Amino acid sequence: QSALTQPASVSGSPGQSITISCTGTSSDIGGYNYVSWFQQHPGKAPKLMIFDVSNRPSGVSDRFSGSKSGNTASLTISGLQAEDETDYYCSSYTSSGTLVFGGGTKLTVL
Amino acid sequence: EVHLLESGGGLVQPGGSLSLSCAASGFTFSSYAMNWVRQAPGKGLEWVSAISNVGLATYYADSVKGRFTISRDNSKNTLNLQMNSLRAEDTAIYYCAKGKVWFGDGIDYWGQGTLVTVSS
Repeated sequence: QSALTQPASVSGSPGQSITISCTGTSSDIGGYNYVSWFQQHPGKAPKLMIFDVSNRPSGVSDRFSGSKSGNTASLTISGLQAEDETDYYCSSYTSSGTLVFGGGTKLTVL
Repeated sequence: EVHLLESGGGLVQPGGSLSLSCAASGFTFSSYAMNWVRQAPGKGLEWVSAISNVGLATYYADSVKGRFTISRDNSKNTLNLQMNSLRAEDTAIYYCAKGKVWFGDGIDYWGQGTLVTVSS
């Protein structure tokens, strides 16, 4: 049950687009379309941003989008805003019958 | 509106036990899988355990298998986590999290969490 691999940090300027990657294996991301992305502000509970690789829950801005290629999933945030600055986590179902999270990525808006 | 309220956290000595509960409202509790996810201070999220909608199937992370037991009472809309043989590395905020109909399809709502501290 190794954690999925995310970059520790990414940054971008307001209005720009950034992409956060989440790399796993054929036993998790590569094998299933059950990838989710969560946003977590300091001291708060995580919030679902993307589910099933590329679907947005109602109420989530369309500036957030998800995709997958092979064993790597990606979260793209377009039109970066100051309020997007926080931590992001990916998760996936695994062939072991568990869920696994990525280590988290801190997004800085310059 | 989905609402999840955890309780039962606190300070416990290594080797001790603690029981967490989660009161759910705002959705048909018996229709959805439920999860526990934890976050050690300053660290990332770690999935701990899940249970199917009617409780027939349970799932555990290797790090807690044999020590933690997840259960649910659909008549009371309550999720539980019995934690035994606690270790310092179990210190974390424990979140109750609502799943989809099938647990593998992930989590869509989270509670605010309850802090468990394992220390002598």
